[in-house]
Amino acid sequence: AQSVSQHNHHVILSEAASLELGCNYSYGGTVNLFWYVQYPGQHLQLLLKYFSGDPLVKGIKGFEAEFIKSKFSFNLRKPSVQWSDTAEYFCAVNPSYSSASKIIFGSGTRLSIRP
Amino acid sequence: GAGVSQTPSNKVTEKGKYVELRCDPISGHTALYWYRQSLGQGPEFLIYFQGTGAADDSGLPNDRFFAVRPEGSVSTLKIQRTERGDSAMYLCASSSPERDDNEQFFGPGTRLTVL
Repeated sequence: AQSVSQHNHHVILSEAASLELGCNYSYGGTVNLFWYVQYPGQHLQLLLKYFSGDPLVKGIKGFEAEFIKSKFSFNLRKPSVQWSDTAEYFCAVNPSYSSASKIIFGSGTRLSIRP
Repeated sequence: GAGVSQTPSNKVTEKGKYVELRCDPISGHTALYWYRQSLGQGPEFLIYFQGTGAADDSGLPNDRFFAVRPEGSVSTLKIQRTERGDSAMYLCASSSPERDDNEQFFGPGTRLTVL
């Protein structure tokens, strides 16, 4: 079945540690890829997106993600996390040639940062 | 500018009752989406409107769920004969198809609790 998989349900890190959250998808063809973040008590907001071009994408707050087509992966990274990065992170795929259509989300990874 | 707004923020109802959830998209956004997010899961697509018409309603779980967008702006998600399993956060998002990247902007959600 077509899906988006996030391998880590809950990640706990200390401040200044490096972060990598895994994401794999099973859709063939052209896809748009996203990472959304949901901070405690806030609504979903876009962290970064890949549409085309350079597979290494820079987002807000020092996050980046790399699209590896051969591995169907779009892992999220940050070299040094902060306590304020505590949030739920969702990988998502827009599996369509259409620019406006549904997004399929992964189940999310809860990130907890110890001060 | 104003973001996506949703009302009510919380709705508690009894099993078997009818509920309506409202979404007011960003002004000028012609695409509107409804998602449902259960605890510990990522958002699950329900329905997508382009203008007044439902372009994709493949995510609606059954015929108790219905959504309208009569004037191409505000949308209402309607749930008949609610069941306890309908309890979830209902999210609305909007986007502008003039953008190539399908960035969807999410509202704060309506938390529905069916007793």
